[in-house]
Amino acid sequence: AQSVTQLGSHVSVSEGALVLLRCNYSSSVPPYLFWYVQYPNQGLQLLLKYTTGATLVKGINGFEAEFKKSETSFHLTKPSAHMSDAAEYFCAVSEFGGTASKLTFGTGTRLQVTL
Amino acid sequence: NAGVTQTPKFRVLKTGQSMTLLCAQDMNHEYMYWYRQDPGMGLRLIHYSVGEGTTAKGEVPDGYNVSRLKKQNFLLGLESAAPSQTSVYFCASSYRFGPSYEQYFGPGTRLTVT
Repeated sequence: AQSVTQLGSHVSVSEGALVLLRCNYSSSVPPYLFWYVQYPNQGLQLLLKYTTGATLVKGINGFEAEFKKSETSFHLTKPSAHMSDAAEYFCAVSEFGGTASKLTFGTGTRLQVTL
Repeated sequence: NAGVTQTPKFRVLKTGQSMTLLCAQDMNHEYMYWYRQDPGMGLRLIHYSVGEGTTAKGEVPDGYNVSRLKKQNFLLGLESAAPSQTSVYFCASSYRFGPSYEQYFGPGTRLTVT
């Protein structure tokens, strides 16, 4: 069974500082990995995804993530935080095969950006 | 293009009451999903559908029923609401089979059961 662990339920950074949100996964087959962002009182929006190929994936709003198979990690980074990045971020892994693209989500990390 | 819409946005129920949440998508997606989101638990899949007239159980299906009579709509029903069903419910849809296909989410329905 697949699972996702997000270290740190709350992360606080200063505006302009590096953002690092951690995600580790467990999967018995090659994973497809996703980061979603949820702004207050809204649904989830896809930031980026890794399927195959290049392990460094670039997403929207300046975010990127690197798939490291040896570390079973898919950490999300952004070089310089902006106030508008304050939101909750979810890492998810997709089950390969089966009858639908079912996602397993982590418990989320709330990012706070301070002046 | 409205994407995925959910009705209603908020609802308060008393224990034992019933209700139906409506999800609609205008992207001609084959697959649709219902999730619930609870603090500290991320999103958990309740039921999903791979096409019109078909539904399947997800991770936490107990206490819920679903129907997919039309391709664009996916209904989630609570026959006898319980306080444990207080949650935020999200509907999602995706184009087709395959784990790499993006799921598009609706804005959510906040349900409180007293």
